[in-house]
Amino acid sequence: LAKTTQPISMDSYEGQEVNITCSHNNIATNDYITWYQQFPSQGPRFIIQGYKTKVTNEVASLFIPADRKSSTLSLPRVSLSDTAVYYCLVGDPTGGGNKLTFGTGTQLKVEL
Amino acid sequence: NAGVTQTPKFQVLKTGQSMTLQCAQDMNHNSMYWYRQDPGMGLRLIYYSASEGTTDKGEVPNGYNVSRLNKREFSLRLESAAPSQTSVYFCASSGPGQHYGYTFGSGTRLTVV
Repeated sequence: LAKTTQPISMDSYEGQEVNITCSHNNIATNDYITWYQQFPSQGPRFIIQGYKTKVTNEVASLFIPADRKSSTLSLPRVSLSDTAVYYCLVGDPTGGGNKLTFGTGTQLKVEL
Repeated sequence: NAGVTQTPKFQVLKTGQSMTLQCAQDMNHNSMYWYRQDPGMGLRLIYYSASEGTTDKGEVPNGYNVSRLNKREFSLRLESAAPSQTSVYFCASSGPGQHYGYTFGSGTRLTVV
């Protein structure tokens, strides 16, 4: 399983764009990159998933360079409610029993 | 609403007691998982089931057993609870759908005294 490295914590202010970068040097050909968000006392929630280049949905954008050894989650105009832990995971989700390893994630704190 | 349902939400056990955590999903997912999360830490995989009828150990299986009852249900059993098993337990499922990601339940907060 590809190991990921991401910052332990980040601070931001409301209205700013936040970019969280994750490195995954050992990513395999069939691996996708998936980001999850977790609020206290809740289970992680799927945010976005991508394989290469750029993916955008109503919540975030995911930028993946050509070598796929890193990825950046971009949260536009964050608000207080975006304060959470963000996990970057790498794995092949298309097969059965894709067991993902969660690191400690990035604690994002958004202030006024 | 479609998703993963876990019961109970809270439980207090005495050391040595047994209990079963229940999990059910209604998204027709093939794979299901049990994770535990300790304070300030990420999630650690206990057991998973790639498909109905199969189960495999994850990172921290000792002290637990699982049963994939059918495609919808995946239970986690603690035969003799220990204080070290005090944690929040999350069930998740995954499968082809809108995205190839996990859908998590809301968790079971277990305290062993």
